[in-house]
Amino acid sequence: DGGITQSPKYLFRKEGQNVTLSCEQNLNHDAMYWYRQDPGQGLRLIYYSQIVNDFQKGDIAEGYSVSREKKESFPLTVTSAQKNPTAFYLCASQNGANTEAFFGQGTRLTVV
Amino acid sequence: GENVEQHPSTLSVQEGDSAVIKCTYSDSASNYFPWYKQELGKRPQLIIDIRSNVGEKKDQRIAVTLNKTAKHFSLHITETQPEDSAVYFCAASGYSTLTFGKGTMLLVSP
Repeated sequence: DGGITQSPKYLFRKEGQNVTLSCEQNLNHDAMYWYRQDPGQGLRLIYYSQIVNDFQKGDIAEGYSVSREKKESFPLTVTSAQKNPTAFYLCASQNGANTEAFFGQGTRLTVV
Repeated sequence: GENVEQHPSTLSVQEGDSAVIKCTYSDSASNYFPWYKQELGKRPQLIIDIRSNVGEKKDQRIAVTLNKTAKHFSLHITETQPEDSAVYFCAASGYSTLTFGKGTMLLVSP
């Protein structure tokens, strides 16, 4: 079953803790993306990677970090420097620019 | 960078009516304009897209129009059904990343 998988679906963390969200795809796509979704804000780009071992900051990268050691995996770490981390996080992949983006089912992060 | 404005933020229609959602973009280099539908609690999914060399594209009850001169594109849904209720996002892309609008919540009442 091909697709893009995020885990976990729900995540609770205390303030000041780092947390890592997982994103795996078996679509053989080179490009992967992380978006943050807040009510009424649409999807805002955090980080993206167009090839293994390379990634670029998106519009709201502060307080986040990523790695791309394997083509299939693009984990996102929400660090303690992120001032308002509670949100719905979506991972996506594309088979090149200007093609359909395939999304994971999302991770809802709540910081208490 | 690219900026995409989407209107309205909410849209309520009666079943069978048509619905129109409009988006404008700022970067004249953008050449790919997809529309995504996100049902409550689910992932966004592509419903239709259009490229800058085409003015209109249809897929059953859904159509998208593009006016490159005015830098705006629209989603048209005819004969709406309750299952069309969802949040719809427009997006624009040039050579790398998608920039999304803030979304339109469409509510279709039976």
